[in-house]
Parts: sequence; structure tokens; C-alpha cells
Amino acid sequence: SYVLTQPPSVSVAPGKTARITCGGNNIGSKSVHWYQQKPGQAPVLVIYYDSDRPSGIPERFSGSNSGNTATLTISRVEAGDEADYYCQVWDSSSDHSWVFGGGTKLTVL
Amino acid sequence: QVQLVESGGGVVQPGGSLRLSCAASGFTFSSYGMHWVRQAPGKGLEWVAFIRYDGSNKYYADSVKGRFTISRDNSKNTLYLQMNSLRAEDTAVYYCASGDSVSGFDPWGQGTLVTVSS
Repeated sequence: SYVLTQPPSVSVAPGKTARITCGGNNIGSKSVHWYQQKPGQAPVLVIYYDSDRPSGIPERFSGSNSGNTATLTISRVEAGDEADYYCQVWDSSSDHSWVFGGGTKLTVL
Repeated sequence: QVQLVESGGGVVQPGGSLRLSCAASGFTFSSYGMHWVRQAPGKGLEWVAFIRYDGSNKYYADSVKGRFTISRDNSKNTLYLQMNSLRAEDTAVYYCASGDSVSGFDPWGQGTLVTVSS
């Protein structure tokens, strides 16, 4: 089965740029989606199809995907961005399964 | 506005059954695939099951295959998850979410907690 690997934690100072990676075998050939989850809340889609932003998501959130790594970039980080972030892909090769990365806890220092 | 509301969670003994529901509103439910995703306490997200917009195709995670059944009633704008032979490791918050094969999951419901314990 397809595996997505994320760092367990990323720390960043307010106003700086946070980059959260998502590794997978030839992930560049797949569409990657990113979710933000704050404590006690349901996940929210923040990036879809590698780099598109849903309406209502700040332009500070962006995404890229190439080779074996997809990246979620959060510019000008704010305290309110502190949350868990998950990447996700559809694996059509294994009888249709949808895979999540293990999640990354973003801490704003 | 677009909304998904889960219900049916609770405490059940190992080996027991439970049926979750997800009521949709604010969008054309019958045009979209639907997923169930779960999150064990303190853990990450785990995809559970998917059903195509018309119910013609269903897919399951290996961890629930043969025990869980996803279904939908488009006339009632409602998604279901029938869970049988429940195990302690099925304890989690269960979310429903809209999405098709390649697209992301959006929106999500608020979740319903299932606890499997004797």
C-alpha cells in the first residue's frame, strides 16, 4: 500500500515561513491535498490538487508537488495557524484507497 | 450553507454493532461521492470507506473490510456506515466527508465518537 511520510513536528516564529513536507514514491504523479485540523475540530481542506486554494483560505497558504515530495508552505505565519496538518492522496493502484500522511504538528513559537 | 451532520455514535461492547448516519444539506448530495474517515484518540486520520455518488461502487480500508458497510439514500440526503463485529481498535471519532476519487475531502462533518469497550 502507498505510504505518505510527514515530519511529526515543525516549529516556526510568527511572521516567518513554515514548510511542511509530505514524502511518497513518485508523489509528483499524484494529486495531493492538504488539511488543517485544530484541537477538537474537524479537518478543513486548505490546498487541493497540489496547489489550489479553496475559497476562504488565505493566500499565505500554498502548495507544490514534484518528484517524491509535496510541500505545504505557510507564509507570514500567525498564531492562529498552529494546528495539525495532513497530506492526502488517492492511490488508484491498490484497489482504490485514500491515504493520509501521519500528520505534522505546526507550533508557532 | 453546506453542512454534514453525523449521528449514531456511542459506547458499544466488543463484537457489537452500530450504525452511523450523516445528514447532508446545502448541496446536491446525489451528485457527489462520500467518504467515512476516522481518527482514534490522539492519532492521525484514517480513511475508512467510500461510496460513489449513485452507490454503484464502494471501497473499504483493509482494516474494516468485511465488517463495515457503507451505503446512502439519496432521497433522504443521508450517508450511512453499518459497523459490525466491532473491536477496541475501532474506537475513534468518525467523520463523513464529501469527495470523489481524485478530489480532496470537502466539506467534513463535525464527527461522532464511537467507543468500543466492555
